[in-house]
Amino acid sequence: GEDVEQSLFLSVREGDSSVINCTYTDSSSTYLYWYKQEPGAGLQLLTYIFSNMDMKQDQRLTVLLNKKDKHLSLRIADTQTGDSAIYFCAEKDGSGNTGKLIFGQGTTLQVKP
Amino acid sequence: DSGVTQTPKHLITATGQRVTLRCSPRSGDLSVYWYQQSLDQGLQFLIQYYNGEERAKGNILERFSAQQFPDLHSELNLSSLELGDSALYFCASSSQGDTQYFGPGTRLTVL
Repeated sequence: GEDVEQSLFLSVREGDSSVINCTYTDSSSTYLYWYKQEPGAGLQLLTYIFSNMDMKQDQRLTVLLNKKDKHLSLRIADTQTGDSAIYFCAEKDGSGNTGKLIFGQGTTLQVKP
Repeated sequence: DSGVTQTPKHLITATGQRVTLRCSPRSGDLSVYWYQQSLDQGLQFLIQYYNGEERAKGNILERFSAQQFPDLHSELNLSSLELGDSALYFCASSSQGDTQYFGPGTRLTVL
């Protein structure tokens, strides 16, 4: 079945780059997403990439997609303490005509001053 | 602010009870999705409605039901509550099945 895997924890120093990785199994996924969840808050959409793209850049965020390896990464440049949060990778279910999202377990990003 | 609203923010109830969670989608969005976030299961898709009709069903228990009303708001009904139903319940909305925007969630605690 569909599955999305992420590493659970990443710790970086303020000002460094952070790279959060994700693998997925559904090769028919059309869109892949990154969401951010701060403590006690909802899910904030950060960015997304269409499956026919290799890369997307949005200010400090860079998304790389390797469709052959079903690998997605999110790079945050110049990481700030305000970036500390849980980051979820999600794929849109490619089967049928639904918008169902399948989420990874989330990666907790800790940014040390 | 995503434009999706959910009420209540917190809900504390006892086992065996029934509760209703409410969601108002972003203006113009026809699709509403419900997700459950728990420590052991992570974020799980429950159900999707599109313009009042059920579109897709996920890991939703038979004790749970949902509906979308003509004004497009949605309600998730949880009955015969068990301790394991304690979780954060999110609603999301989208237009035509693309990017989903999430509400702030309802935290349900079953005692």
